[in-house]
Amino acid sequence: KAGVTQTPRYLIKTRGQQVTLSCSPISGHRSVSWYQQTPGQGLQFLFEYFSETQRNKGNFPGRFSGRQFSNSRSEMNVSTLELGDSALYLCASAAFPSGTGDTQYFGPGTRLTVL
Amino acid sequence: GESVGLHLPTLSVQEGDNSIINCAYSNSASDYFIWYKQESGKGPQFIIDIRSNMDKRQGQRVTVLLNKTVKHLSLQIAATQPGDSAVYFCAENSGYSTLTFGKGTMLLVSP
Repeated sequence: KAGVTQTPRYLIKTRGQQVTLSCSPISGHRSVSWYQQTPGQGLQFLFEYFSETQRNKGNFPGRFSGRQFSNSRSEMNVSTLELGDSALYLCASAAFPSGTGDTQYFGPGTRLTVL
Repeated sequence: GESVGLHLPTLSVQEGDNSIINCAYSNSASDYFIWYKQESGKGPQFIIDIRSNMDKRQGQRVTVLLNKTVKHLSLQIAATQPGDSAVYFCAENSGYSTLTFGKGTMLLVSP
């Protein structure tokens, strides 16, 4: 079974631009969670989607948004990019929503650099 | 490779040694715990999990111990190999909450 895939793997943008990242979960998984990873803050939760509905949202500004499609693929969007948005963005999929004790499996991440 | 964390606690061991990585969690209501391994330039990889109704769980060369009294989790790696060099994260989960990750520990294995 193929793992979680994320595209693109690397991205360079300039301040003020917007960016869309994509995540394809493991086949059959309906839960997708997004995390931001930086050296200073570690892994921070952005949001979780299950069956096209946002279940949880982390403490990030409204510039960060996401959505999930009927095939469980998910996208996250960051508008008006800031230098501090430079990070590794990780997507994780699970068969069931968080809190059910189901394991989340991570993709390789998208490395976003904002200049 | 890309750094996944600066100023991480670091554990340095020799190949063949047993490694013990510790993690303190904060939420006494957490009932599910996971250890992940993250190599440079990659996403976290699931290693082993344990539920709160257990004290110990064993996998291949790995053992996780859970002490709910002091809210402590440990990962033991037997016969550590150079390929085990990575950052290790513990994560906790409870109820409808999302996974909360610890800061991570870097394991360096010398041949």
